[in-house]
Amino acid sequence: EAQVTQNPRYLITVTGKKLTVTCSQNMNHEYMSWYRQDPGLGLRQIYYSMNVEVTDKGDVPEGYKVSRKEKRNFPLILESPSPNQTSLYFCASSFVSGSYNSPLHFGNGTRLTVT
Amino acid sequence: KQEVTQIPAALSVPEGENLVLNCSFTDSAIYNLQWFRQDPGKGLTSLLLIQSSQREQTSGRLNASLDKSSGRSTLYIAASQPGDSATYLCAVKSISSNTGKLIFGQGTTLQVKP
Repeated sequence: EAQVTQNPRYLITVTGKKLTVTCSQNMNHEYMSWYRQDPGLGLRQIYYSMNVEVTDKGDVPEGYKVSRKEKRNFPLILESPSPNQTSLYFCASSFVSGSYNSPLHFGNGTRLTVT
Repeated sequence: KQEVTQIPAALSVPEGENLVLNCSFTDSAIYNLQWFRQDPGKGLTSLLLIQSSQREQTSGRLNASLDKSSGRSTLYIAASQPGDSATYLCAVKSISSNTGKLIFGQGTTLQVKP
């Protein structure tokens, strides 16, 4: 089954404790992206990757890191989480060719709470 | 800077009604526009994607139209059902921004009453 898999689904942590949220897709998509969703602010893009070893900042990259060493994986790293990073996080992927892209496939989300 | 707006924020209709959800964007130079559905606590599911060269796309009871010149898209849902209750979001991929950036609207939360 074609899917985007995020882990974990729920995570509660404390301020300053490094964490990684994993994202994996099995559709051989070039494009992968991370979003956070907050009430009243909607979906905001954190980072995206157009292909292996190519990453770029979205609208709210501060406090986050990503890497794209393999095509299928795009982990989101919070080196020193803070309470303002409490949010619902989504990973997404799609096929890209020039200006064309296929529909975006989303993971089921990771609900992160930082105390 | 591209901005995407969806009005109304919430909509409640009786079952069986045909309805239209609206999405407007400020910069008409776009590659494509997508409509998504999000159920509570879940990820987004892509419903329809309209490339900039297209005027509309259809899937079952759903029809999405695109008018770049006026900066508008509509999602038409025919014969609504309680199972259509969800939040509907539109997202635009702008030519002016980096090619990987998508801008989302805040969504319209639809409730279809039996």
